[in-house]
Amino acid sequence: QQQVKQSPQSLIVQKGGISIINCAYENTAFDYFPWYQQFPGKGPALLIAIRPDVSEKKEGRFTISFNKSAKQFSLHIMDSQPGDSATYFCAASTPGGGADGLTFGKGTHLIIQP
Amino acid sequence: KAGVTQTPRYLIKTRGQQVTLSCSPISGHRSVSWYQQTPGQGLQFLFEYFSETQRNKGNFPGRFSGRQFSNSRSEMNVSTLELGDSALYLCASSPGQALYEQYFGPGTRLTVT
Repeated sequence: QQQVKQSPQSLIVQKGGISIINCAYENTAFDYFPWYQQFPGKGPALLIAIRPDVSEKKEGRFTISFNKSAKQFSLHIMDSQPGDSATYFCAASTPGGGADGLTFGKGTHLIIQP
Repeated sequence: KAGVTQTPRYLIKTRGQQVTLSCSPISGHRSVSWYQQTPGQGLQFLFEYFSETQRNKGNFPGRFSGRQFSNSRSEMNVSTLELGDSALYLCASSPGQALYEQYFGPGTRLTVT
């Protein structure tokens, strides 16, 4: 059973627009929700992360919105640039880690058109 | 600080062989985790080590094993390689005991023929 569901699988946004990627989770024991960015041939890079005690966190052009009651969280990329074109993964973790470690969504392939 | 380093970066092996991959975490990080990344299954957790002890283990067969040394460097071993083991193997380190703030290396691309 997929514990973190990510959508959409792919996304095309015009330069300067807002990119929005959504994730939903089932396990209420998750207490840490990071987003990773991965370029071809590279490992995932930690972008931004949030804990469930806050509803929003912003770092530069990247914002996480978190809805605990709906068990959903999303990544917003403001003023999207061609350099943001990459695959984005949401993830979630419980305090102890367990058999799933950091549980990842399937990824969103984002293309920013110039 | 230098990032997570993994060696080798690329590897080609034959079915039935075994392979050992190496990971050096960020200086000061004591937790090292390993993940398998494939186009079909995405990123899947293999195991995590903290202070030389395996703390968590994912749902992979016993052919996949690992260890961590006193300097926090880690190795993972895959025995009796199968074609389905072809993947990008990623190592991640984090400063504390929980799986927060994991920083990934570039990965080792393993191809099994």
